[in-house]
Amino acid sequence: DGGITQSPKYLFRKEGQNVTLSCEQNLNHDAMYWYRQDPGQGLRLIYYSQIVNDFQKGDIAEGYSVSREKKESFPLTVTSAQKNPTAFYLCASKDSRGLERRNTEAFFGQGTRLTVV
Amino acid sequence: GDSVTQMEGPVTLSEEAFLTINCTYTATGYPSLFWYVQYPGEGLQLLLKATKADDKGSNKGFEATYRKETTSFHLEKGSVQVSDSAVYFCAQFYSGAGSYQLTFGKGTKLSVIP
Repeated sequence: DGGITQSPKYLFRKEGQNVTLSCEQNLNHDAMYWYRQDPGQGLRLIYYSQIVNDFQKGDIAEGYSVSREKKESFPLTVTSAQKNPTAFYLCASKDSRGLERRNTEAFFGQGTRLTVV
Repeated sequence: GDSVTQMEGPVTLSEEAFLTINCTYTATGYPSLFWYVQYPGEGLQLLLKATKADDKGSNKGFEATYRKETTSFHLEKGSVQVSDSAVYFCAQFYSGAGSYQLTFGKGTKLSVIP
């Protein structure tokens, strides 16, 4: 079955550590997104990528890094520079080819809940 | 930048009540508009969408109409059920100047009581 998979579902990080959240999709989508969700804040865009080997900062990119070496994968690293990393992280992908990019919806993974201990 | 504004929650309704969740967008031109639903501990699922002015999206009894004149995409349902309890997100997708951003509102939590 096609879909988008995030792992792990729960992640605990010690202060000062970097951690990497995985996001894999087999939908053949070009565009992929990372969002952070906090209570009362909705979804805030961290990074997005429209094509392999290219990505752009979103609204809250500080303290995060990404890579897009393969079309299927868009891992997010939460670095020690991120002062308040405890949150629910959501990855999404979307077909962004040609004129159909307007009509297609984004598909979401099940999320990763990161907690700093 | 472009943003989406939706009504603050939480919203608590009795079963079979009428639901409206307001949403307005700011993207210029003709963005595509979406409503997503999130159940506890899960990712977002598409509820409905509309891609041009005056389009009406509908699914599972929910409806929303793309109103260009008021830049709105309000979500409605005539008779809510307990199983509709979730958080609802309005979103816009706009592609321009080589940028394809998908922007969400803050979400509205709906609780339906028997």
